[in-house]
Amino acid sequence: QVQLQESGPGLVKPSETLSLTCTVSGYSISGGYYWGWIRQPPGKGLEWIGSIYHSGDTYYNPSLRSRVTILVDTSKNQFSLEVTSVTAADTAVYHCARDSGGLIEYWGQGTLITVSS
Amino acid sequence: EIVLTQSPATLSLSPGERATLSCGASQSVSRNYLAWYQQKPGLAPRLLIYDASSRATGIPDRFSGSGSGTDFTLTISRLEPEDFAVYYCQQYGSSPRLTFGGGTKVEIK
Repeated sequence: QVQLQESGPGLVKPSETLSLTCTVSGYSISGGYYWGWIRQPPGKGLEWIGSIYHSGDTYYNPSLRSRVTILVDTSKNQFSLEVTSVTAADTAVYHCARDSGGLIEYWGQGTLITVSS
Repeated sequence: EIVLTQSPATLSLSPGERATLSCGASQSVSRNYLAWYQQKPGLAPRLLIYDASSRATGIPDRFSGSGSGTDFTLTISRLEPEDFAVYYCQQYGSSPRLTFGGGTKVEIK
């Protein structure tokens, strides 16, 4: 069974960089599929951030592209997210997920990231 | 970029009733690559329907999807207590890879 687990600090200061890691178990990242990040501000809807293939090929949401980097570490079966210059608008639950041609079949439970001084 | 608009925002129904949720796209969804997800409070979304009308593994047959092009529908034939949740549509056929609708909350009347 594919499982994904997000990890990272729960609190980030405004203007700093948000960094999260997703650890995948039950499936090798190198085995195929894209791996992505999706966020959900409290009480609001879902927003796709971006996705990466094990080769490093990436897709990003155009609205976030200038501030987002997604990387993959196949040796650790992990992928990561960085969002620079964060503001309160970046406060959200961040989910990592397996992206099958854009279809999200497996989700991590999500981790709440709060941007506050 | 395709924009998905879900209606209604909130649907108030009783257990046993039929629920009809709509998802409209600003342009045609390529290959009808349209999915529906269910989300309960504090949990990650769960895939219900993909390719507009195919049920995901383990999804009860009271959930059905239909539609093509720009108009799609999720129908729950008879609401069970565990079906009260928020439902999102999502397209994955066009750039920028995937986008979500704003959601429909199905609440107990």
